[in-house]
Amino acid sequence: EAGVAQSPRYKIIEKRQSVAFWCNPISGHATLYWYQQILGQGPKLLIQFQNNGVVDDSQLPKDRFSAERLKGVDSTLKIQPAKLEDSAVYLCASSFDPPDEQYFGPGTRLTVT
Amino acid sequence: AQSVTQLDSQVPVFEEAPVELRCNYSSSVSVYLFWYVQYPNQGLQLLLKYLSGSTLVESINGFEAEFNKSQTSFHLRKPSVHISDTAEYFCAVTSFGQAGTALIFGKGTTLSVSS
Repeated sequence: EAGVAQSPRYKIIEKRQSVAFWCNPISGHATLYWYQQILGQGPKLLIQFQNNGVVDDSQLPKDRFSAERLKGVDSTLKIQPAKLEDSAVYLCASSFDPPDEQYFGPGTRLTVT
Repeated sequence: AQSVTQLDSQVPVFEEAPVELRCNYSSSVSVYLFWYVQYPNQGLQLLLKYLSGSTLVESINGFEAEFNKSQTSFHLRKPSVHISDTAEYFCAVTSFGQAGTALIFGKGTTLSVSS
């Protein structure tokens, strides 16, 4: 089966610019997660969706980050405006039967200059 | 709130030596525990998991971990490592019934295997 797809793989932007990331989960996985992984740290949850509804966004910086999952399949994560501290790898994961295994995409490496 | 502590940030070992990567967690509710591995230039992939049942769980490539509830630990072990085991290893915890099922990760342990 196809894995979790993410694009782009790499992105370099200047601070105060905006950026968007795309994720396509494994077919049939109702649960989708976005994580932020800063260099030297473990991934940290930004937002969790169940179908197209938000389950947990308590750690999402809502003044600059937004995410949506229209039709309960693909998802986009947006940052506007970006700050230097947003430089990180953004990981998308999906799960068929949480809290069982989450399948991770390759990630998007964002560099904010 | 849940948390995970990986006690060693880097573990250098020689090929065919045994290794233990330590993981302790903190939680007020029942937990599910995972070890994920990230090989160089690759994404995170599940190594093994504890959801219920036997406290000793094994992976297909020779790793094992034991859930110790009294010590709140889930240490990862392998009796003889290979060069190909060089990677970043993450311990993670989650629980069911709270707001979400997101994983709480430790900071990771870099395992470096040399010949």
